[in-house]
Formats: sequence, structure tokens, C-alpha cells
Amino acid sequence: ETGVTQSPTHLIKTRGQQVTLRCSSQSGHNTVSWYQQALGQGPQFIFQYYREEENGRGNFPPRFSGLQFPNYSSELNVNALELDDSALYLCASSRLGQGREKLFFGSGTQLSVL
Amino acid sequence: GNSVTQMEGPVTLSEEAFLTINCTYTATGYPSLFWYVQYPGEGLQLLLKATKADDKGSNKGFEATYRKETTSFHLEKGSVQVSDSAVYFCALSSNNDMRFGAGTRLTVKP
Repeated sequence: ETGVTQSPTHLIKTRGQQVTLRCSSQSGHNTVSWYQQALGQGPQFIFQYYREEENGRGNFPPRFSGLQFPNYSSELNVNALELDDSALYLCASSRLGQGREKLFFGSGTQLSVL
Repeated sequence: GNSVTQMEGPVTLSEEAFLTINCTYTATGYPSLFWYVQYPGEGLQLLLKATKADDKGSNKGFEATYRKETTSFHLEKGSVQVSDSAVYFCALSSNNDMRFGAGTRLTVKP
């Protein structure tokens, strides 16, 4: 049990819609990262938040955005959904200073875009 | 840019067999190297890591040695169990940039 929880576990949307995914960090962690894991692929880094600000971003378009709240929980928002956005979205928390490698992952949200 | 290439799966072994999953990397600077494991329906868990050349990471009978000369970090276990069935990801971290391989699915049969 890592302490990182994500909701919902599964979600179905249609192309063009918007979606919000949520993540609660492990206690004591101040940094949250989001990853996209397409079927049969490894996780791809979307972005990281620290102290409620974006602290690094991967190669994803601006329609992928995020928020981090004072209690260190986080949201991932995706606008104008495309079919290729169908994937498992993973949230990982860590404590800045321990390096991004000390990540604790949630079980993910499986997003299907039809 | 940084990247990780790992052995394609799936890999199917009998219980107590020897396991090797190959991983090679490309990176600038001096990356840290990791193996993560993902059990069905769960998120990724850190299995082991090595932060500099010739370091050996080990955990739960799994081992991997950071080989700078061959840019490799192969995962090994001498005797696998059914409970080791999972997807294994090789990863590197360099300058706060973390990259994962595509994953290798391991199935261990009794």
C-alpha cells in the first residue's frame, strides 16, 4: 500500500470532451507527477507539480494541464480529448530533495476515449 | 535524448527457472538506473536501483548491475516464483528527467 490514491479508476469519454482526473499524494510528500501509459508502453512523463506550480513538463500539448492544491493533492485536466488520449494515467508522489526517482505510484485511472 | 530499451516480451518461465531481462540505455551525463515492477491492477513499485557505475541494486532476490561500459542494467533472478509474474520496467533518471522502457511482461508457471 503506497498511500497514493487516484479517482476514478475507470472513465469513458467521447472525442472533444474534457476530463479531470484526481490524485491524493502519500502523506509527507510535496511533489506530484503525472504519467501517461499507453497500452503495451512504458509511462511517459506529462508534468510535475511542486508547491502548487508546474515544475517540469514532458512533450505533451497545452490541452494537458494540472493543478496542485495546498494539501498536495492534484488534478490532471485534459481538454478536447482525442482518441489517442486513451491510456492509463498514473499519478506519482515524492518528496522534493529525494530526487524524482523516489516515486510512489497510484493504481491509475484508465481513460477510454470513444 | 535520454532513452531506455528493454527486452521485448512476453517472457514465460517455469517456477525456479533463471530470469534475465535485458535493458540498455542512452543518456547524457550520469543517470541513475531503476527497475520498477507493476503487478496486475496496481501502480508501479520501485524494485531496485543503482546510482553509479558498477553499483549493484538488489531486492527480493532480483539483482541488476550498472554497467557503464555497455550502457546496460540487466535484471536477473536465480529462481523465479509464480508470484513474480508482473510487468517489469527499466528506467533512468538524469537531471530530473525520468524515462521508462516499454516494459516486459513475465509469466511464471507452476
